[in-house]
Amino acid sequence: DGGITQSPKYLFRKEGQNVTLSCEQNLNHDAMYWYRQDPGQGLRLIYYSQIVNDFQKGDIAEGYSVSREKKESFPLTVTSAQKNPTAFYLCASSLYPSGGGPTGELFFGEGSRLTVL
Amino acid sequence: GEDVEQSLFLSVREGDSSVINCTYTDSSSTYLYWYKQEPGAGLQLLTYIFSNMDMKQDQRLTVLLNKKDKHLSLRIADTQTGDSAIYFCAEKGDSSYKLIFGSGTRLLVRP
Repeated sequence: DGGITQSPKYLFRKEGQNVTLSCEQNLNHDAMYWYRQDPGQGLRLIYYSQIVNDFQKGDIAEGYSVSREKKESFPLTVTSAQKNPTAFYLCASSLYPSGGGPTGELFFGEGSRLTVL
Repeated sequence: GEDVEQSLFLSVREGDSSVINCTYTDSSSTYLYWYKQEPGAGLQLLTYIFSNMDMKQDQRLTVLLNKKDKHLSLRIADTQTGDSAIYFCAEKGDSSYKLIFGSGTRLLVRP
């Protein structure tokens, strides 16, 4: 079945360490996104990529980095510069790069919960 | 900037109707969405409405859009315990690359 796979589902990190969250999709979607979710808050966009080898900062990119070397993969690195990294991270993809298609619908993975000890 | 607001919590009895409300500020919104998030999981699209529509019905779900007041609602008929989840409202402008999400409404369905 087509979908988006995020791993790991749970991750613990010591302060000062970088960690990388994996996101893979087999939907043949061009656009991919990383969102951060905190309790009682909406989803905030970290980075997005409309096409391979290109990505843009979202609203809260500081302390995060991404790469898009393959269409299927969009890993997110949470660096030690991120001051409050404990959160639930959601990866998503959409069929149309600009979001200007019939619906602009996002398809989400199951999320990765990062806890800093 | 764009903003989407929702109430944080709603509790209903099983079998009753639930109405979840959302307001948005972007007058150029073209699509408005309702997503459902179950505990510890990602978001799933429930339904969407195009901005030139007033109402959309899909089985137990009814979406109402008041474009003048920038108000969107989701009505769930005959609410079941399996409907307990967080419901996110989101909007997208025609030329925008991203969806703007509300903070989510946690729906609790009591037996």
